Amino acid sequence: DARVTQTPRHKVTEMGQEVTMRCQPILGHNTVFWYRQTMMQGLELLAYFRNRAPLDDSGMPKDRFSAEMPDATLATLKIQPSEPRDSAVYFCASGYRAGEKLFFGSGTQLSVL
Amino acid sequence: AQKITQTQPGMFVQEKEAVTLDCTYDTSDPSYGLFWYKQPSSGEMIFLIYQGSYDQQNATEGRYSLNFQKARKSANLVISASQLGDSAMYFCAMREGGGSYIPTFGRGTSLIVHP
Repeated sequence: DARVTQTPRHKVTEMGQEVTMRCQPILGHNTVFWYRQTMMQGLELLAYFRNRAPLDDSGMPKDRFSAEMPDATLATLKIQPSEPRDSAVYFCASGYRAGEKLFFGSGTQLSVL
Repeated sequence: AQKITQTQPGMFVQEKEAVTLDCTYDTSDPSYGLFWYKQPSSGEMIFLIYQGSYDQQNATEGRYSLNFQKARKSANLVISASQLGDSAMYFCAMREGGGSYIPTFGRGTSLIVHP
């Protein structure tokens, strides 16, 4: 079965360090999302790409977060510098077409100390 | 305003019984889609079922059915013959048609199935 692959699964880092999360969407999918999940806020949209073009990053703190799709097989989410409040599970999801069901990766559990 | 509301933080059901998980939504867009996802303890979100706003019939997928009441703006998930493996978090989501198609998720309902 085709799967969305996220790395790393777990990341523990110190405040101020750079964190890079990677996602390999399912081949042929043209939409990619980054979501952050916390107990307090639930699932929050951070970034949305369609055909590799960023369409929405309004939910992302621009001063420290950045999201890119350098090619169709790789999406990245970077946090620099990281802060303890960034501790969360970060999910990447891809979809075949806009508006259709999403396939989620296993998530990156990030802990910033 | 919340676009998706799931009012049940937690639900319990006996194995083999049916259970309904509530979801109400808010939109003025005539074209929208409603989704349910399951998140087991392993963490990965799994798509369960989809209902389009123009679909005349309620969606069904195996033991899952979506009770779509458009006038009431509700899209409840019904799980029939619950199994122990159904214990998980369940999320309702909506995407509107206005071009972006970005899904918005509810806060989720935790379902525990008792043997």
